[in-house]
Amino acid sequence: EMELVESGGGLVQPGGSLRLSCTASGYTFSDSGMTWVRQTPGKGLEWLSGISGSGGSVYYADSVEGRLSVSRDNSKNIVYLQMNSLRAEDTAIYYCVKGEDFTVTSTFDLWGRGTLVSVSS
Amino acid sequence: QSALTQPASVSGSPGQSITISCTGTNRDIGNFNLVSWYQHRPGKAPKLIIYKVTERPSGISDRFSGSQSGSTASLTISGLQAEDEADYFCCAYAGNSASLWVFGGGTKLTVL
Repeated sequence: EMELVESGGGLVQPGGSLRLSCTASGYTFSDSGMTWVRQTPGKGLEWLSGISGSGGSVYYADSVEGRLSVSRDNSKNIVYLQMNSLRAEDTAIYYCVKGEDFTVTSTFDLWGRGTLVSVSS
Repeated sequence: QSALTQPASVSGSPGQSITISCTGTNRDIGNFNLVSWYQHRPGKAPKLIIYKVTERPSGISDRFSGSQSGSTASLTISGLQAEDEADYFCCAYAGNSASLWVFGGGTKLTVL
């Protein structure tokens, strides 16, 4: 059975950094682009970043570019989201999402349960 | 405020049909054939129920159907069952530099 499990969330102070991980299982990881999406009470669901199956193409939302970095390790079936200069408004549930094919422009066909990031002093 | 507009809540009795709308613009829903719908129960991972506007993944009941008119996509659930009670949100490809994908704010479905 295909599954995505996020980890690495927690409480961090403003200005701090955090690295989220998403471990995939049940399918050929490198065949799928991966995406990070977050959900906040105020803004709802927001697309943050996508990375192609090979890792050769990465994309970021304008709202977070420069503070986020996405990467993947296809030998470990893990995709990462490095978040820097965190702000209170980054407090959200962060979801890892699998794409239907190796690009970042295909349907999201599998989601994780999410990991909570809280930014507060 | 979400990029795509959905009603906050809908309700229906068992056996009835309900429709949830998702309104975007001619830059997203109206421009690409990439609208999907997800069912999200508390504490669970969102589940794909409709993709490419009208397609159903394997294993999804044919009680779920999707459609589109212009920049508005719709999800219809027929023969409502108690197990359908959940949040539903839409997603569409936008393909612009600000954000590749946009989402609806979600609709809470209550089965009376």
